[in-house]
Amino acid sequence: NAGVTQTPKFQVLKTGQSMTLQCAQDMNHEYMSWYRQDPGMGLRLIHYSVGAGITDQGEVPNGYNVSRSTTEDFPLRLLSAAPSQTSVYFCASSRLGTESLSSYNSPLHFGNGTRLTVT
Amino acid sequence: RKEVEQDPGPFNVPEGATVAFNCTYSNSASQSFFWYRQDCRKEPKLLMSVYSSGNEDGRFTAQLNRASQYISLLIRDSKLSDSATYLCVVNTGGYQKVTFGTGTKLQVIP
Repeated sequence: NAGVTQTPKFQVLKTGQSMTLQCAQDMNHEYMSWYRQDPGMGLRLIHYSVGAGITDQGEVPNGYNVSRSTTEDFPLRLLSAAPSQTSVYFCASSRLGTESLSSYNSPLHFGNGTRLTVT
Repeated sequence: RKEVEQDPGPFNVPEGATVAFNCTYSNSASQSFFWYRQDCRKEPKLLMSVYSSGNEDGRFTAQLNRASQYISLLIRDSKLSDSATYLCVVNTGGYQKVTFGTGTKLQVIP
């Protein structure tokens, strides 16, 4: 199984450019999410989705859009890149828990990450 | 106070040593707890869930102390391959309420 696949692995953008980070999973997971990881900050949730057609904001959504047209795909769009968006981005997926995301048998599965630099 | 706090380390320990990390959380309503491992420039991977009764997986033991609001990870007989950053993850309920600690770096030295 491929698991969670993220593309690209590396990207350099100029301020103001837009781009889409791709994420696909083949585990039929209902839950998908995007995190960014910055030094000393831990992983922070950007957006998440609990199924096709359903998305919601996480902790740091500004400057990012998402959509979920299929169970498998959850792309993250940067509308107008800013240097503050320089980070490592991870896509993650999981089965849904019964009452909360992380029931014991549904951990998060992460993609390999995208290293984004905005100059 | 941060929602989830970890000592960033690094913890430098010799091979074969026992090492323990703690992670404190501020929300008493937290429902589930995990330890993830992250190798340098790689994605986090689940190491183990943390059950109320404590749980063990080979050389790794995880404990939960709800009264003092912390979880712990004990690694026995450390191997060079255990060198990584260990992330504490706490879920306070709801799909968006998953909080990652900043991680504790472990370096096992020969």
